[in-house]
Amino acid sequence: DIQMTQSPSAMSASVGDRVTITCRASQGISNYLAWFQQKPGKVPKRLIYASSSLQSGVPSRFSGSGSGTEFTLTISSLQPEDFATYYCLQHNSYPPTFGQGTKVEIK
Amino acid sequence: QVQLQESGPGLVRPSQTLSLTCTVSGGSISSGDYYWSWIRQPPGKGLEWIGYIYYSGSTYYNPSLKSRVTISVDTSKNQFSLKLNSVTAADTAVYYCARRDYYDSSGYTYWGQGTLVTVSS
Repeated sequence: DIQMTQSPSAMSASVGDRVTITCRASQGISNYLAWFQQKPGKVPKRLIYASSSLQSGVPSRFSGSGSGTEFTLTISSLQPEDFATYYCLQHNSYPPTFGQGTKVEIK
Repeated sequence: QVQLQESGPGLVRPSQTLSLTCTVSGGSISSGDYYWSWIRQPPGKGLEWIGYIYYSGSTYYNPSLKSRVTISVDTSKNQFSLKLNSVTAADTAVYYCARRDYYDSSGYTYWGQGTLVTVSS
């Protein structure tokens, strides 16, 4: 299986901050990488697909980049509704595997 | 609007079989445009992909669970099901059913609300 390692595992940030989350794959996955947001008690919601494509309806403050083994999710200006846990998902090969999650908390 | 709803026991004894059903409404499970998937999340932990089924009955399972998992589909009832046998406490999790787009392998756009299954004696 391809292992996905996210960093940091948790972080505190303030409204308006620029936030960057990294996801590293144990082997190359081209751009078969998606980012999901999950709020407590809710289902995951896809934000980014194909590494850098913004899901329809998702605010433009979210962006993704990367290819191969290293990927980033950036929130340009953190909003109150963005406090959540973020997961990367590789779907280059089976089984699809998620990162362990990054919890973004209020500072 | 497509909706998915999980159902099944919330408590399963160790070594027994976990059985869940996902009922799909607002769309046909026989559409060739989707894979019907199961994903789980242990309390306070991350997401694990369990497997999927196509309406034709073809399946793909996570190798880590393959020896214990069966996913089946009942097109007449617009349902698909998960069976996980020989469960242990490590199988305690919220179990989600989800619809994945056929041509978009990260396209998990519709999810059930999830059902917590606890493995305990």
